[in-house]
Amino acid sequence: TQLLEQSPQFLSIQEGENLTVYCNSSSVFSSLQWYRQEPGEGPVLLVTVVTGGEVKKLKRLTFQFGDARKDSSLHITAAQPGDTGLYLCAGKRKMDSNYQLIWGAGTKLIIKP
Amino acid sequence: NAGVTQTPKFQVLKTGQSMTLQCAQDMNHEYMSWYRQDPGMGLRLIHYSVGAGITDQGEVPNGYNVSRSTTEDFPLRLLSAAPSQTSVYFCASSGSGAEQFFGPGTRLTVL
Repeated sequence: TQLLEQSPQFLSIQEGENLTVYCNSSSVFSSLQWYRQEPGEGPVLLVTVVTGGEVKKLKRLTFQFGDARKDSSLHITAAQPGDTGLYLCAGKRKMDSNYQLIWGAGTKLIIKP
Repeated sequence: NAGVTQTPKFQVLKTGQSMTLQCAQDMNHEYMSWYRQDPGMGLRLIHYSVGAGITDQGEVPNGYNVSRSTTEDFPLRLLSAAPSQTSVYFCASSGSGAEQFFGPGTRLTVL
């Protein structure tokens, strides 16, 4: 059972279109991270959201953390071919004296020129 | 600053062979971890370490061993490779901020 559900799993759209990727859980997280991974490379952190309801913008990318800190969304405006990649969300929660990162399965995004 | 480095980049093994995947970081991070990435399953944690001399199991530890003799190095050992271990392996490190810095990965095929 995936503790952090990402949808859609795969998305292929034309350059210039808008899209939203969702990350949902029944668990509460202290923070949530979004990563982008390009073929042949490791994931790279895009943003961390911490506060319920928080919105962060990174150029054409808008990230939102749900009010209850159980879900998050990534919205891309006017997608570009350079946005192509695998987008991963990861929720952080406390476990004993350490923290645990729960990973979503990823959304594979292809932007066609 | 090289960040997180992994070797080898590609490896083909026969069933039953053993090997060690190397991982090193030069950021003085205490926390290091090993993940495997399989299509449709995201990243699954194999083992992790919160500092030199301390290791613990993650979600899928069976068939893998780790050690952490120094802060910089965190090798992953496959004792007797099986086809089910065919995957892409990522090493990551993080400091106090919880951002994970990933290496470039090792693509392993077990025949």
